[in-house]
Amino acid sequence: EAGVAQSPRYKIIEKRQSVAFWCNPISGHATLYWYQQILGQGPKLLIQFQNNGVVDDSQLPKDRFSAERLKGVDSTLKIQPAKLEDSAVYLCASSLVGTPLHFGNGTRLTVT
Amino acid sequence: AQKITQTQPGMFVQEKEAVTLDCTYDTSDQSYGLFWYKQPSSGEMIFLIYQGSYDEQNATEGRYSLNFQKARKSANLVISASQLGDSAMYFCAMRPNAGNNRKLIWGLGTSLAVNP
Repeated sequence: EAGVAQSPRYKIIEKRQSVAFWCNPISGHATLYWYQQILGQGPKLLIQFQNNGVVDDSQLPKDRFSAERLKGVDSTLKIQPAKLEDSAVYLCASSLVGTPLHFGNGTRLTVT
Repeated sequence: AQKITQTQPGMFVQEKEAVTLDCTYDTSDQSYGLFWYKQPSSGEMIFLIYQGSYDEQNATEGRYSLNFQKARKSANLVISASQLGDSAMYFCAMRPNAGNNRKLIWGLGTSLAVNP
């Protein structure tokens, strides 16, 4: 089966600019996750969708981050405006309910 | 509070030897799942193995096995016959199976280097 697809693979932007990441989950996976992973740390959950509804966005900095999952399939994560501390790898994952998460290759964001 | 502890920031192993990566966890939940993921330098997070808290047998998946000791709250990953491609970060994670907060709790990871 095809895995979780993410794009772009790398992105370099200046602070205060905006950026968007795209994720296509494994077909049939109702649950989609966005994680932020800062170098040297474990992943931090930003937002979890169940179909197109938000299950958990308690750690999403809503003043600058937004995410949507239209039609319960693809998802986009946006940062506007970006800060230096947003430099990280952004990982998208999907799963069936109660099963292990399967991750995409991630987007490595550098904010200068 | 739920917590995952990986006490080994870095490990070295000779190619073809076995290595054990430690993971201890803290939870008051009775039903939970334990996961191990591998993250190569390229950045993707690869699922390796899963152990349910009620599983009586240790999980195995190819060269990976999970040494699950429930009373000690440990879930160590054993990699047998190490290969150069095993060099990566390894993360232990836990997720409760019930309740409203079913987020994955992650450890800080262990960096494994396999020497030729």
